[in-house]
Parts: sequence; C-alpha cells; structure tokens
Amino acid sequence: SQKIEQNSEALNIQEGKTATLTCNYTNYSPAYLQWYRQDPGRGPVFLLLIRENEKEKRKERLKVTFDTTLKQSLFHITASQPADSATYLCALDGTGGYNKLIFGAGTRLAVHP
Amino acid sequence: DSGVTQTPKHLITATGQRVTLRCSPRSGDLSVYWYQQSLDQGLQFLIQYYNGEERAKGNILERFSAQQFPDLHSELNLSSLELGDSALYFCASSGTGGATEAFFGQGTRLTVV
Repeated sequence: SQKIEQNSEALNIQEGKTATLTCNYTNYSPAYLQWYRQDPGRGPVFLLLIRENEKEKRKERLKVTFDTTLKQSLFHITASQPADSATYLCALDGTGGYNKLIFGAGTRLAVHP
Repeated sequence: DSGVTQTPKHLITATGQRVTLRCSPRSGDLSVYWYQQSLDQGLQFLIQYYNGEERAKGNILERFSAQQFPDLHSELNLSSLELGDSALYFCASSGTGGATEAFFGQGTRLTVV
C-alpha cells in the first residue's frame, strides 16, 4: 500500500538558518506532491505544489524539490523565523482529476530566536 | 479564511450516540474530502466525494458514512460512537481538472465521553 514517511522527530533550528524537511514515499508514483502547513488545532494551509515533471519550485522563502527516482521531496525554508514554527505536511496527489490527497504524519518545526 | 465552513466547531457526546458533521465547500469546488486527526496523529483520509458521487475511500469505519448533496455540501455521519472516535474531523474542498490545492475548514472537534 502507499506509504508516506516524514521525520517524526521535531526539527529545531536557529532563526535565520535554513530548515530542510524530508518526505519519502513508497509504492506510489504521484503525479503531484503538495506541502501544507498546520498550526495546532487548525486546518492545514496549502503552501506549494510540484508536478512530477518539475524538479524544483520556489515561492518567496520556500523551495520544494521533487526527485521521482529517489521517491523523495525536500522542503526548504530559508531565513527561517519563529513565525515559521508549525507542523509541515506533505501530501501525494493522484491523477485523473479527482485529487485524492494522502498526507504524511508531518514534521514539527521549531524556530528559536 | 479558506472559504470552507464546518459546523459545529465543537461537539461533546456520549458513547453509543450518533452525530452528524456538516461541511460547506468553497464556492465552485466539486470535490469534498473528509479527514480524521486524532491527538498528535496525522491526517487520516476517510472519504472523498466529487459532484455528489463517492470517488475514493480510505480507512473509514463501517460505523461512519458520508454523502454529498446536490448543493455540494457534505455530511459525515458517525454512529455507535466510541471513546476512540474522539478527534478533530476536517473537511477540505478542491476544484477540478488536475493538480489543485485543497482548502481546509477549521475542523470539528469531537469529544466522546
């Protein structure tokens, strides 16, 4: 069955550094991969989407890479700020126009001043 | 504001009871998803509807059912409730035609006592 793995341990970094989060998947060949941010007790918020034929996508301080050979996506936040502290989720997106989204468990990021 | 409305925000009920959670998707979105998130757990995909029809099913218990109405709002029915059903239940909606982001509601927090 499809499996999505994200580092379950929290990532603690210093303000201003680059945070790098990993999403690995098995038994699946997604056409798209998405990243979401979730704050405690709130619904996830969409950040970035990357297609299988794209290697990299950027949005302001965010960068996502997608390696379909390694079955891995990396999510980078540059010049991190305490306000970036949250749980980050990756989600695999199916094809066919009916976007079944399966989420990883998420990685909690804590940015310290 | 994501444009997705979930009601109620909080629900406390006893074991063995039945509850209905309601979701109004973003205007124009045809896809509705339901997710369960238990304490400190990831988002578990329950079920997806597209324009009134069931499109994908996750690990949804037989005690749970859902439907999407002609006006596109959706309801998730949970019956014979158990303590372990206590969780945040999220609804999300998305557009059509391939890779699109999902917009999440603020969730319904269900507590079974």
